[in-house]
Amino acid sequence: GAVVSQHPSWVICKSGTSVKIECRSLDFQATTMFWYRQFPKQSLMLMATSNEGSKATYEQGVEKDKFLINHASLTLSTLTVTSAHPEDSSFYICSARDPTDSYEQYFGPGTRLTVT
Amino acid sequence: QQQVKQSPQSLIVQKGGISIINCAYENTAFDYFPWYQQFPGKGPALLIAIRPDVSEKKEGRFTISFNKSAKQFSLHIMDSQPGDSATYFCAATSAGGTSYGKLTFGQGTILTVHP
Repeated sequence: GAVVSQHPSWVICKSGTSVKIECRSLDFQATTMFWYRQFPKQSLMLMATSNEGSKATYEQGVEKDKFLINHASLTLSTLTVTSAHPEDSSFYICSARDPTDSYEQYFGPGTRLTVT
Repeated sequence: QQQVKQSPQSLIVQKGGISIINCAYENTAFDYFPWYQQFPGKGPALLIAIRPDVSEKKEGRFTISFNKSAKQFSLHIMDSQPGDSATYFCAATSAGGTSYGKLTFGQGTILTVHP
């Protein structure tokens, strides 16, 4: 199956700083990627849809100025958490849509963000 | 209308038993229903998926049963093994409209299989 990677796998940052998370589709081109956030023992919550070459579409309640998404190429989307605060600590997961299937998404391994 | 309700929240099964997880949806536009397995600290992985033109799909020990009229679907894990211990999420999406490709997840079920 298709492989999606994320980097870093975990990151600790200080409150007020920014952190960037990368999501890459390794063996296919993904015009659409999705970013999710997952708090402990909770479900995945979609944050935004990232389309290559255009602005991301954010879900209701997600601050677009705080969570900057850039999908500059067909294999890379980045999520930057700006001015991070402890409440932003979470597990961030990306997925990439299979270009040959309208439904299938391949998930990355996730990035654990801890803001101190 | 976008919700997918999943039950139970947690499930304990003996090795060799059958694990059953249920989901219900409201949005009749949903036309793809995947199940994901997630281990701690990992991203979810697709287990099995079904489209509403069939009532059942089986892959190995995993079976999805789908009831379109009741807007319900369930995952059955036969001969459950300790290695199946994980969190399972049902999800739903549609190919069209504003929800195109967006997955709506259930709340998750923590499955524990005792040896």
